[in-house]
Amino acid sequence: DAGVIQSPRHEVTEMGQEVTLRCKPISGHNSLFWYRQTMMRGLELLIYFNNNVPIDDSGMPEDRFSAKMPNASFSTLKIQPSEPRDSAVYFCASSPRTGESAKNIQYFGAGTRLSVL
Amino acid sequence: SQQGEEDPQALSIQEGENATMNCSYKTSINNLQWYRQNSGRGLVHLILIRSNEREKHSGRLRVTLDTSKKSSSLLITASRAADTASYFCATLNYGQNFVFGPGTRLSVLP
Repeated sequence: DAGVIQSPRHEVTEMGQEVTLRCKPISGHNSLFWYRQTMMRGLELLIYFNNNVPIDDSGMPEDRFSAKMPNASFSTLKIQPSEPRDSAVYFCASSPRTGESAKNIQYFGAGTRLSVL
Repeated sequence: SQQGEEDPQALSIQEGENATMNCSYKTSINNLQWYRQNSGRGLVHLILIRSNEREKHSGRLRVTLDTSKKSSSLLITASRAADTASYFCATLNYGQNFVFGPGTRLSVLP
């Protein structure tokens, strides 16, 4: 199994530009999570999906952030417009479980390092 | 403040020694998990301990949980250079809030 695949691995953009991060979960997994990691705030859960449906987006920092999961094998996290304070590593994770137990085991991708200049 | 707080923030030991990392949390939990993150990589799930469990083992890993003190410890025995990584605890409470601590950076010197 290829694991969770994220693209791009690195993204450098200018303030005000739209950024789209992509994630392909492990085949057969039913839950998907987006995290942001910074030195100041550590790892933060942004949003998670069960069976392609967003369950909890309370961690999404602002309306500039949006996430979609059009099908079981693909998700995007979009930032529009981007700001320098969005610079971070963004991780996607998937779980073979749904509901309450989905958070009990997650498989992480390698992350996308975003730099907003 | 974060639910899980690891200490120490950084730890350096010699290969073959044991490494102990601690995690404290504030609210009642459903379970507590430990993850490892190698530099530049994603997190890897190591072990989960439920609130009604006190100790769990997995290979060279030993996790304890003291719900009265709201704390957990991760012990890595006979450490190896390959154990060099950051280790995070994460707590899941009954409100389904899932929070990572800031992590402990472990360096195992050959």
